[in-house]
Parts: sequence; structure tokens; C-alpha cells
Amino acid sequence: AQSVAQPEDQVNVAEGNPLTVKCTYSVSGNPYLFWYVQYPNRGLQFLLKYITGDNLVKGSYGFEAEFNKSQTSFHLKKPSALVSDSALYFCAVRDDYGQNFVFGPGTRLSVLP
Amino acid sequence: GAGVSQSPSNKVTEKGKDVELRCDPISGHTALYWYRQSLGQGLEFLIYFQGNSAPDKSGLPSDRFSAERTGGSVSTLTIQRTQQEDSAVYLCASSLWVSGANVLTFGAGSRLTVL
Repeated sequence: AQSVAQPEDQVNVAEGNPLTVKCTYSVSGNPYLFWYVQYPNRGLQFLLKYITGDNLVKGSYGFEAEFNKSQTSFHLKKPSALVSDSALYFCAVRDDYGQNFVFGPGTRLSVLP
Repeated sequence: GAGVSQSPSNKVTEKGKDVELRCDPISGHTALYWYRQSLGQGLEFLIYFQGNSAPDKSGLPSDRFSAERTGGSVSTLTIQRTQQEDSAVYLCASSLWVSGANVLTFGAGSRLTVL
């Protein structure tokens, strides 16, 4: 069965500092990994995905994520945080065999001015 | 359409009433998913449809919940005899087809409040 863990409920970072939002996963086949962001009273928006190839994936709004197969992780990163990055971030996974997406519980990011 | 459209955006109902939530996916998207998001919580999978295949209903929490998708396009999620614990945001998403790399596009959600 597929599963996703986001070990931090909340991440606080000062504006201009680098940010990391952690995600680990478990799948039985090849993983397809995704990050979504949810702003208040909005649906989820796609940020980036890993399918195959380069372990470092670049996405929208300056975000990137690093796939680490040995650690089964897919942490979201940004070199310099903005106050407008404050939102709820979800990691998701699916594999070759599953047709469903499994989402993590979400991490609330607060960027302080 | 340009995006996934959900209606109503907000619904307040009394306990015991039935509600219907509608999702209009992106034109041409063959896969459609329903998720539920309770206050401050993650996403709970409810059901997905893929083309003409039988839907995967494994996430529906009880037999009070049902969903249909007509003509491979619009979907309706129905909750019968609503309970207070049904209060949540119901999110619909669609994707071009069901395969590993396909991205879900979400609607803005329908917020259901059961009094």
C-alpha cells in the first residue's frame, strides 16, 4: 500500500531564509511524487512532480524538490522564502500499479516578515 | 472549461437532509476524483472515475455517500441523511487519464456545513 508522511505539522521560517518542507513515502513500485500548495479558501495547486530522471526537480514559484530513493524522501525546498509562500503544502504519491493518489497530512508553512 | 468547476461553493444544511455537490471537470479529462478535507486536516480519498470503467468507491465512508458521473463528464456527489461529521470541504479533481505521471487539477471545493 502507498503512504506518505509529512513529519512536521508546521514550519516557520523568516522571510529571505531558505525553507524545507519534508516528505517521505512508501510505494511498492516506481514512485511518482508530487507537491501541491493550498492557499486559504482555495483548491490545491500543482507545484512540481518527479517521474524519472534528474533527482532535483524545479517547479512553480521558485520551488524545487529533491528525490532521494535510498531515503524514500521528496523534500520541498526554496532558497529564499517569501511571506506570500505561507500556505498549506501537500506531498502526494502514486505508483505504477495504483490509480489513486495518496496525499500526506499537509504541512503549514508560515513565512514571517 | 478552463478549470475544474464545483458548485455550490458553500452549502449549509440541517442534519438529516440530503445534499448534492456537483463537479464539472476540464473538458477531455477522463479521470475524475473526489476528496474530502476536514477542517485543518489532510485529504481523504472518496471515489474516482476513469472513463467507462467501474469507479473505485473504496474511500466512501458509508452507504450514505454515493457518486455518479454522467456521460463521462459532470459528476455529482450525493450525501444522504447528512450528519454533523459530514461537515468538510469536498474537493473534486480531474486529470487527462489515469497514469503515474498525470497531474490532478483541483476545483476550489464545496464547503458543506451540517447544523
